[in-house]
Amino acid sequence: GAVVSQHPSRVICKSGTSVKIECRSLDFQATTMFWYRQFPKQSLMLMATSNEGSKATYEQGVEKDKFLINHASLTLSTLTVTSAHPEDSSFYICSARLAGGLQETQYFGPGTRLLVL
Amino acid sequence: LAKTTQPISMDSYEGQEVNITCSHNNIATNDYITWYQQFPSQGPRFIIQGYKTKVTNEVASLFIPADRKSSTLSLPRVSLSDTAVYYCLVVNDYKLSFGAGTTVTVRA
Repeated sequence: GAVVSQHPSRVICKSGTSVKIECRSLDFQATTMFWYRQFPKQSLMLMATSNEGSKATYEQGVEKDKFLINHASLTLSTLTVTSAHPEDSSFYICSARLAGGLQETQYFGPGTRLLVL
Repeated sequence: LAKTTQPISMDSYEGQEVNITCSHNNIATNDYITWYQQFPSQGPRFIIQGYKTKVTNEVASLFIPADRKSSTLSLPRVSLSDTAVYYCLVVNDYKLSFGAGTTVTVRA
């Protein structure tokens, strides 16, 4: 149980184009999902918190107009990198919050490797 | 968010037990301690979570002393496939803050 998928697993695009990444919780409902970015040999950095049915909350320094997040259902959140540039090349990972009882756990997707040429 | 401190790297050999200690001096009363494992180019995988004393599952054990200012992840009889980065996190208000993690390298 608690499986999170991401699509696509990797994408190569030209500079200036937009790229959409999907994050799905396959066997549970997630009112909250998270988007992270990870550069080579670095740790994960939280970009934004995606709440179902409401606007996402962005971390300081993350441009909300560049990284559009939509959480239209309890099992799907999308991240759109608009007008992508080479410096946006990174590993993007989503997680979904599984809430219940006294413990809360986040389960992560497999990640999406973005390369902007 | 409570800050965590863990060793940057650890080396081990197949079949040995690996213990990674994490310090979290500012842990709050309602915080849980969670460990994740990450292989290159993959998302982190949940290993174990605990609040106090000892928690054990099929993968690892987590030891938490009474003051909860540290915790130790124990990986029994590691294999080459356990080579990965291990992150210790203190879960506060469901926002996770990842530190640098501990790179565990298992050698034959």
